[in-house]
Amino acid sequence: KAGVTQTPRYLIKTRGQQVTLSCSPISGHRSVSWYQQTPGQGLQFLFEYFSETQRNKGNFPGRFSGRQFSNSRSEMNVSTLELGDSALYLCASSLLGSGSDTQYFGPGTRLTVL
Amino acid sequence: GDSVTQMEGPVTLSEEAFLTINCTYTATGYPSLFWYVQYPGEGLQLLLKATKADDKGSNKGFEATYRKETTSFHLEKGSVQVSDSAVYFCALRTLQGAQKLVFGQGTRLTINP
Repeated sequence: KAGVTQTPRYLIKTRGQQVTLSCSPISGHRSVSWYQQTPGQGLQFLFEYFSETQRNKGNFPGRFSGRQFSNSRSEMNVSTLELGDSALYLCASSLLGSGSDTQYFGPGTRLTVL
Repeated sequence: GDSVTQMEGPVTLSEEAFLTINCTYTATGYPSLFWYVQYPGEGLQLLLKATKADDKGSNKGFEATYRKETTSFHLEKGSVQVSDSAVYFCALRTLQGAQKLVFGQGTRLTINP
């Protein structure tokens, strides 16, 4: 079974631009979560989607948004990019999004903002 | 709020040495606890987990026991290999938080031959 895939793997943008990252979960998984990883803040939860609905949200500004499609694929969007948005963005999927589920992570998208 | 405190790295050991990476947590209720590993240039891989007090998670020679009385989940391995070099993350998840994992800062481990 294929794992979680994320595209693109690397992205370079300039300040003020916007970016869209994509995540395809493991087949059959319905919950998708997003995390931001930076050297200074570590791994921080962005949001979780289940059955096309945002179910949980971390403490990030409104410039960070996401959505989930009927096939469980998810996208996250960052508008008006800032230098501090440079990070590794990780997507994780789980089967039902229940408290006992295991999350499986993708390889991440490395975003560099210049 | 919920938090995880990990032993600061980096940690450097020789091959076949004994490994302990300390992890303590603060959480409401009874969280599930996890250890994830990140190899260079890759995402996170689940190493092991424990969902209730006194559970022991184990995988690939690594072990960790969920200790409610000390709110700890220390990672151990009896004999490390060069291939174990990676960054290790301790994490928790509360039932209220559903799929929200709260991570420690990570511990970089280097094993020298």
